Amino acid sequence: GQNIDQPTEMTATEGAIVQINCTYQTSGFNGLFWYQQHAGEAPTFLSYNVLDGLEEKGRFSSFLSRSKGYSYLLLKELQMKDSASYLCAVRSNYQLIWGAGTKLIIKP
Amino acid sequence: EAGVAQSPRYKIIEKRQSVAFWCNPISGHATLYWYQQILGQGPKLLIQFQNNGVVDDSQLPKDRFSAERLKGVDSTLKIQPAKLEDSAVYLCASSLVGGSAEAFFGQGTRLTVV
Repeated sequence: GQNIDQPTEMTATEGAIVQINCTYQTSGFNGLFWYQQHAGEAPTFLSYNVLDGLEEKGRFSSFLSRSKGYSYLLLKELQMKDSASYLCAVRSNYQLIWGAGTKLIIKP
Repeated sequence: EAGVAQSPRYKIIEKRQSVAFWCNPISGHATLYWYQQILGQGPKLLIQFQNNGVVDDSQLPKDRFSAERLKGVDSTLKIQPAKLEDSAVYLCASSLVGGSAEAFFGQGTRLTVV
């Protein structure tokens, strides 16, 4: 079967760094996406990884290890507005398979 | 660039009634997705179109849900008859074809079945 696992919820402090992990088992792999979803809003695209390694984009970075079926999203210098759910999605052949999302709570 | 348009934003219906949602994807996007998202969960794919053909509808409850994408552009999703457990946000997304193509989401329709 096809499966994506993420922690359900994480808490971090404003100004700190947090790492959100995602592990996947899929029949095919054509890339991994991270999306941010604020409560009551639609998901918005954050990053895409298809090769192993780290992709950096401002305060957000995403890492991929295809051999381990593993990715993480790293958020630096956390701000209160980063409180949201973070969704990991894998493109497997023509399908886009979604994790349940990690709810990130930022405390002052 | 205009985004994915969905309507209505909110809908409240009684169980056993029917409801329809409309989606207009980003111009040029061949792939269109309908997702159901229940509070606290990730999006669940209901149906995926490429142009006006169905690519994947394996999780669509076909006894009550139907969807079409006439002319490969706009799409409608219908529920008839609705059940209480259909209460959710229905998200439409579109993308170009290709592995790296990100999906762009509409604002969604929040459906409440009472």
